Amino acid sequence: DTAVSQTPKYLVTQMGNDKSIKCEQNLGHDTMYWYKQDSKKFLKIMFSYNNKELIINETVPNRFSPKSPDKAHLNLHINSLELGDSAVYFCASSQDMILGSGNTIYFGEGSWLTVV
Amino acid sequence: DQQVKQNSPSLSVQEGRISILNCDYTNSMFDYFLWYKKYPAEGPTFLISISSIKDKNEDGRFTVFLNKSAKHLSLHIVPSQPGDSAVYFCAGHLTGNQFYFGTGTSLTVIP
Repeated sequence: DTAVSQTPKYLVTQMGNDKSIKCEQNLGHDTMYWYKQDSKKFLKIMFSYNNKELIINETVPNRFSPKSPDKAHLNLHINSLELGDSAVYFCASSQDMILGSGNTIYFGEGSWLTVV
Repeated sequence: DQQVKQNSPSLSVQEGRISILNCDYTNSMFDYFLWYKKYPAEGPTFLISISSIKDKNEDGRFTVFLNKSAKHLSLHIVPSQPGDSAVYFCAGHLTGNQFYFGTGTSLTVIP
């Protein structure tokens, strides 16, 4: 079973549309994240949720809104998609907010978003 | 501003030899460093980490060295195997669970 799973894996959509990327983890983790990998391959954190509460919200346009219905899910909703939103988006999770021995971050396989 | 930098975008090594991947950082507040490995079309997976209070951590063929005075860390893979061919990301961790990743180094191990 995949520990952190994202859907869809590939998404091609037109500018102006609203789309969502779903993420689920079956690791029993308390903390989940969304990362964006841009064209320079830089993995930049967008959001972090701990026990369904927003902890980190980096400088991301308001068009991006995370939603966590429960601890195991963190979905990313994007309104009014723009060309510059084209990227690979990675969901991730970790046991809790403290990184320690044996406690690391697990990533999904990525969702390739292309805005045309 | 990139707080973690990997200045070598690619590296090629013969099978059986040592692979050394380098990483520099600017933020002295990082309390943990991590290396991630990424195969094409897959998400980055954790490889090895090191606390900022240590200078070496070893796990099988993988060893990470940390030089705090130089703000430099390196990942050594010995011996290198073709299956090690992937992109390796270095990351720094700040309290509050903020991760800052480098741009990756693509390692090719030649059989």
